[in-house]
Amino acid sequence: AQSVTQLDSQVPVFEEAPVELRCNYSSSVSVYLFWYVQYPNQGLQLLLKYLSGSTLVESINGFEAEFNKSQTSFHLRKPSVHISDTAEYFCAVRIPGANNLFFGTGTRLTVIP
Amino acid sequence: KAGVTQTPRYLIKTRGQQVTLSCSPISGHRSVSWYQQTPGQGLQFLFEYFSETQRNKGNFPGRFSGRQFSNSRSEMNVSTLELGDSALYLCASSLTGATNTEAFFGQGTRLTVV
Repeated sequence: AQSVTQLDSQVPVFEEAPVELRCNYSSSVSVYLFWYVQYPNQGLQLLLKYLSGSTLVESINGFEAEFNKSQTSFHLRKPSVHISDTAEYFCAVRIPGANNLFFGTGTRLTVIP
Repeated sequence: KAGVTQTPRYLIKTRGQQVTLSCSPISGHRSVSWYQQTPGQGLQFLFEYFSETQRNKGNFPGRFSGRQFSNSRSEMNVSTLELGDSALYLCASSLTGATNTEAFFGQGTRLTVV
């Protein structure tokens, strides 16, 4: 069975400060990894994904995540956050051959002016 | 192109009633998945449909059912509603449902059971 753990339910951070949102997963098979963002009253938007290849993946708005197989982690980072980054972030895994995503419980990022 | 459209956006139902939620995927997408989001349980997979066939199912009781039409539009039905069914129901569509294709989510239907 697969499971995803997001260690921090809430992360407050000042504007222009760096942030790291942690994600660890458990699986007996290889997985694909995703980060989704959810703004208030909205659905989920894909932020970035790791399928194969380079373990460092980047999004167009400055976020990056690194797949660490030995630590079974896929932490999300941004060197300088903006007010507009305030949202809930979900880490998810998908196993090859299946279409459903297993989500973590989410981390609410609040950027403080 | 238009995104994933879910209707209605908000719904209030009484315990014991049934409800049907609708999801129109992105044009050309053939896979539709449904998720339930609650504060207590987070996001949980309900089921996936591909080419009008249920391909995968999560761990939900039989009161939760779905179907997909030939135009890939999908409906989800919940019968004999319980208070615990109050949640945001999200639909996601993808081109083929293959694991390397991106899933696009709708804005969800917020169901409140009173």
